[in-house]
Amino acid sequence: SQQGEEDPQALSIQEGENATMNCSYKTSINNLQWYRQNSGRGLVHLILIRSNEREKHSGRLRVTLDTSKKSSSLLITASRAADTASYFCATDKTGTYKYIFGTGTRLKVLA
Amino acid sequence: EAGVAQSPRYKIIEKRQSVAFWCNPISGHATLYWYQQILGQGPKLLIQFQNNGVVDDSQLPKDRFSAERLKGVDSTLKIQPAKLEDSAVYLCASSTPWDTEAFFGQGTRLTVV
Repeated sequence: SQQGEEDPQALSIQEGENATMNCSYKTSINNLQWYRQNSGRGLVHLILIRSNEREKHSGRLRVTLDTSKKSSSLLITASRAADTASYFCATDKTGTYKYIFGTGTRLKVLA
Repeated sequence: EAGVAQSPRYKIIEKRQSVAFWCNPISGHATLYWYQQILGQGPKLLIQFQNNGVVDDSQLPKDRFSAERLKGVDSTLKIQPAKLEDSAVYLCASSTPWDTEAFFGQGTRLTVV
């Protein structure tokens, strides 16, 4: 079963704009990770945020975590055509250390 | 540092045939995962190993799927017999220690006809 669910399912923006995607999950977690997947390729790790953290930055990426609402958001600032990909959140339920992926957001950045 | 290696990259088989996938994790990574990703969906965890022991295989269809990790390094995932609905990308990932990112291989795209 899916632990996480991303929203929106698909997003299309112009180059230079910001992209925001959200992830909701069902149970308490140790940490939450965001991955990117280009078409036909493996997943690339973007950022990990622990359950005791509220915000984390990495380059043009900003991730927030609200454990009270069981939700996280990924913001990509100043998007580029190369950011076109599917983005997934993955959570490991407290006590399990196994990563369960959400349904993904398909981002398309138009040049 | 070498990444997670998987082979083959692509495989086409007829239903009821058997198939095997191979994964070589990053050196020193004790945890190994196999995921199944059906087109348009997120990866679904099939089995998780810690060294050569199974941590979780609750989502593995054990009547047709099997996996092993001999000597706690390489792993193979086998499907026998394959069904049409097994068409998917099979992803291997590894990590160490607990509570860190998982590194993924490029995956094996299986088509069952």
